[in-house]
Amino acid sequence: DSGVTQTPKHLITATGQRVTLRCSPRSGDLSVYWYQQSLDQGLQFLIQYYNGEERAKGNILERFSAQQFPDLHSELNLSSLELGDSALYFCATATDPNTGELFFGEGSRLTVL
Amino acid sequence: AQTVTQSQPEMSVQEAETVTLSCTYDTSESDYYLFWYKQPPSRQMILVIRQEAYKQQNATENRFSVNFQKAAKSFSLKISDSQLGDAAMYFCAYRGGNSGGSNYKLTFGKGTLLTVNP
Repeated sequence: DSGVTQTPKHLITATGQRVTLRCSPRSGDLSVYWYQQSLDQGLQFLIQYYNGEERAKGNILERFSAQQFPDLHSELNLSSLELGDSALYFCATATDPNTGELFFGEGSRLTVL
Repeated sequence: AQTVTQSQPEMSVQEAETVTLSCTYDTSESDYYLFWYKQPPSRQMILVIRQEAYKQQNATENRFSVNFQKAAKSFSLKISDSQLGDAAMYFCAYRGGNSGGSNYKLTFGKGTLLTVNP
């Protein structure tokens, strides 16, 4: 158990809908990263937050947004969903800046029908 | 931009044998970190081993070791005495050097699916 909690574990929804994925980091971790894992694209970095502020953006669509709250949990919002958004969405948090290690949650499996 | 390439989509090994997974990367940085992550069917990403680029000595964690060739930008993972529980997808990942302490984005390869045969 990495200590990073993601909810929900599974989510099935329809095209055009909006969903929110939640991530609770390990105690003391200030950085939260969101990754998307799909069969064709592999693991793609979406966005990073550090202590409530956005710090880096990757291949995140405009239909997607994220935020990190004062209690350090983070939410990834996906709107106007398309079939191609079906994927596993991971949250990862960083503890020690010197090791560079990220601790991953178990992921949220999103299926868009 | 940094890229990570894993040229072996799938590999198989007999239980108790040794297998080596390949990874190459492209970067213009001199200070960086390299990782191997394991993703079993449970889908949890688990760190297997890490290597700091400034260290010449290859990292080792029990049955797992790396062959880090900085000039060749190569970072292979060797699994000795393979066990059934080693069956998983293995991802090679790159992270740039400490750029102010708050951005530790990992860039991943496409992964290698390892099968362990009894």
